[in-house]
Amino acid sequence: DGGITQSPKYLFRKEGQNVTLSCEQNLNHDAMYWYRQDPGQGLRLIYYSQIVNDFQKGDIAEGYSVSREKKESFPLTVTSAQKNPTAFYLCASVEYRDDLAGRQFFGPGTRLTVL
Amino acid sequence: DAKTTQPPSMDCAEGRAANLPCNHSTISGNEYVYWYRQIHSQGPQYIIHGLKNNETNEMASLIITEDRKSSTLILPHATLRDTAVYYCIVRVGRAGTASKLTFGTGTRLQVTL
Repeated sequence: DGGITQSPKYLFRKEGQNVTLSCEQNLNHDAMYWYRQDPGQGLRLIYYSQIVNDFQKGDIAEGYSVSREKKESFPLTVTSAQKNPTAFYLCASVEYRDDLAGRQFFGPGTRLTVL
Repeated sequence: DAKTTQPPSMDCAEGRAANLPCNHSTISGNEYVYWYRQIHSQGPQYIIHGLKNNETNEMASLIITEDRKSSTLILPHATLRDTAVYYCIVRVGRAGTASKLTFGTGTRLQVTL
């Protein structure tokens, strides 16, 4: 069954600790994305990657880092430099086709709470 | 990418059609209209997309006006499970580039008994 998995579903961390969120896809998609969502708000783009070993900053990259060593994996690290890390984090991937360029597949999300 | 405008909330009785409007008056000729929905505490789910013709799939219908400045997502027989936030997004269809999507605050659809 193809799809995107994110783990864990809920994550609690103490302030000042780095934490890494997992995102794996078996859809053979080239591009992957990380979004952040705050209560009552839309999604905001953190980082995205079009191919392995390449990634670009999105609109709110400060305090976050990513890696793309494998096509199917795009982990996100929330560092201690992120001022307000408590949020719902969503990972997505997309197939490269002109008519499907906007059809992103999303994972179930990870809800991070920093205490 | 063009900006979209949606009403913040709508109600619909179960079994009736839900018609969700979206204004995208600055849309360009090569921009597609995409609709997603997000059920509470889940990832967004793709519903449908179109360029200029009306589209229908197993989930919904998409009606795009002839001038392409607005569109309507139609859920023909809404159920309680359709209660969600619905996002209208316009995006240039261009493979080989990162498909950055801009999610606004969408329309919160509440389906009631």
